[in-house]
Parts: sequence; C-alpha cells; structure tokens
Amino acid sequence: QKEVEQNSGPLSVPEGAIASLNCTYSDRGSQSFFWYRQYSGKSPELIMFIYSNGDKEDGRFTAQLNKASQYVSLLIRDSQPSDSATYLCAVNRGGGYNKLIFGAGTRLAVHP
Amino acid sequence: DAMVIQNPRYQVTQFGKPVTLSCSQTLNHNVMYWYQQKSSQAPKLLFHYYDKDFNNEADTPDNFQSRRPNTSFCFLDIRSPGLGDAAMYLCATSRGPGLVVSGANVLTFGAGSRLTVL
Repeated sequence: QKEVEQNSGPLSVPEGAIASLNCTYSDRGSQSFFWYRQYSGKSPELIMFIYSNGDKEDGRFTAQLNKASQYVSLLIRDSQPSDSATYLCAVNRGGGYNKLIFGAGTRLAVHP
Repeated sequence: DAMVIQNPRYQVTQFGKPVTLSCSQTLNHNVMYWYQQKSSQAPKLLFHYYDKDFNNEADTPDNFQSRRPNTSFCFLDIRSPGLGDAAMYLCATSRGPGLVVSGANVLTFGAGSRLTVL
C-alpha cells in the first residue's frame, strides 16, 4: 500500500464547474497535509495546507480533512482552463524533519 | 525576491559520467531537500539536510550523494548516472521544525533540473 494515494485521472470538468480531488494516506500519525499544483514540466507550487479536521477555504480552493477516515480532499470552485494541471497531495508524517511524502497526483483538465 | 534557484535547468550527460546539480536559497531556511521525480510519478525524497545534519532515505541508492557547504547552498552528486536516473530533480527548502500552524514545514521548490542520460 502506498503511503499517499490519489486517483491519477484525468479528471475532466467543464469551465465553471467544481472539481473535486481526493487523497488517502496510510499513516495515522500524519500531522499536516498539503496540496501542490504542478504544471507540465514545472515544479510544484503550494496551493494550501491543512492540519485540523474540517474545511479550510482560500479563495476558490477548499481543503477538507478527515483524520478518522485518513482522507483529504481539494475542491476547486468555478474551475478555469488555467487550473488544468496535476494536483499533488502531500503528507507530513511529523517527527523532527518535516519530510513530505507525495502522492503521484491527479491530472485535472478543465475544458471551455 | 527570496527564492530557491537550481542550476542547471537542463543537464544532458552520458551513461556513467558524473553529474552535479546545484541549489541555492535566499530564504534562510534551515532545511534543504532533494526530490527525484520521474514522468507521471510522485516526487520521491532522496535526502535532506537540517542545518548540517544529513538525513538519507533508506532506499536512496549509493550512487546519489549530497553536500551542503553552507546554509545557502546544497549540491546533488550523481556519481555514475544510469538510464534509470533520468528525471526531474527538485530542490526544496523549509524553515524547519515548528508549529504546524505557522507553516514552518511548508516546502518551497526551485524550478527543477531535468537530467537526460544518453
């Protein structure tokens, strides 16, 4: 079992719709959770992070965390073609050195 | 602007010819990381430094070495690149251990170095 699992996609949504991206993790001791966006050939860029159960909103983005279910999700409202990218979920297992373990990502395609 | 800079952006080498990739940061972050990312795969942590304290991942091949001569610079050395080492190499930094709420463990990535092995 991989530590961080994501559906590889592609997830195709029409412009203006809500895109829902999901991630599960295996280590119950994980403390914080990150969503990164990665355009093809580029490096990951942080969208947001979450560490408490519930929802966290930042503009068009909402992260949701359920530690009991070991599940974290990202909702993108009013999806735009510029949101088309791979979305990486990452988990910080805690301990001394803030090591992030990444999932392989979900490819999102927003079509006009 | 404070940032993480990787050089070179693109590196072509021959099978077995040593390669060094560099990373510099102006963020004054304590922790520097090297990740390897192959096409359509998750970034895989190779090793990281917390200040001068080196931490190797258990499954990182011996072919990969790293140096951090000072706070600002970190190098990735690949002693004898094989075809399977072709990948994007990502350098990242974070402030270090701290309150999660402060974002101390948020990783900031450089633009990456893409390695091609012929």
